Amino acid sequence: NAGVMQNPRHLVRRRGQEARLRCSPMKGHSHVYWYRQLPEEGLKFMVYLQKENIIDESGMPKERFSAEFPKEGPSILRIQQVVRGDSAAYFCASSAGSGNTIYFGEGSWLTVV
Amino acid sequence: KQEVTQIPAALSVPEGENLVLNCSFTDSAIYNLQWFRQDPGKGLTSLLLIQSSQREQTSGRLNASLDKSSGRSTLYIAASQPGDSATYLCAVFGSSGSRLTFGEGTQLTVNP
Repeated sequence: NAGVMQNPRHLVRRRGQEARLRCSPMKGHSHVYWYRQLPEEGLKFMVYLQKENIIDESGMPKERFSAEFPKEGPSILRIQQVVRGDSAAYFCASSAGSGNTIYFGEGSWLTVV
Repeated sequence: KQEVTQIPAALSVPEGENLVLNCSFTDSAIYNLQWFRQDPGKGLTSLLLIQSSQREQTSGRLNASLDKSSGRSTLYIAASQPGDSATYLCAVFGSSGSRLTFGEGTQLTVNP
């Protein structure tokens, strides 16, 4: 049973470009979470999604960031017009339901140059 | 707003020592609490999950306790090994059911 799969693992973007991060949850999991870890900081919640629905996006910056979890395919975290401050590790996690064990992927490391 | 604090921020011990990592949280209305391990440049590995109705969970050399009323959890590591060196993160899942809130972590170094 494959774990949470994230790609790309490492991504370099120039300022102003777009970054797309993909996450395939564990088989059978319908709940997806995105977290961001800035250098030397803790993990911060960004968004919680279920299939085709955004449940809680209170941790998402108001501009440039969006997330989706379509009926078919992986969840996508999209960052438009990236800035240097977006450089961070972005972790995706999944679970079978509220209160169940949450499993994390290996992360996608974004570097903005 | 839930806040999670972990003490100490860093810990260095000789191999073989038993140790305790501490976690406290401000809002006792939680669904569960999870302990994770993170190695440098890697993702998080789930170690133990304690439901709010439970008081402890054990896995191998690890034992986690939960005292919901006082807002505290401890992770006990027995007979520590150099391979245990990592950052240990405590996270609580709020009863509103939408997110894990993480502490800042304890960076553990076990010296051979």
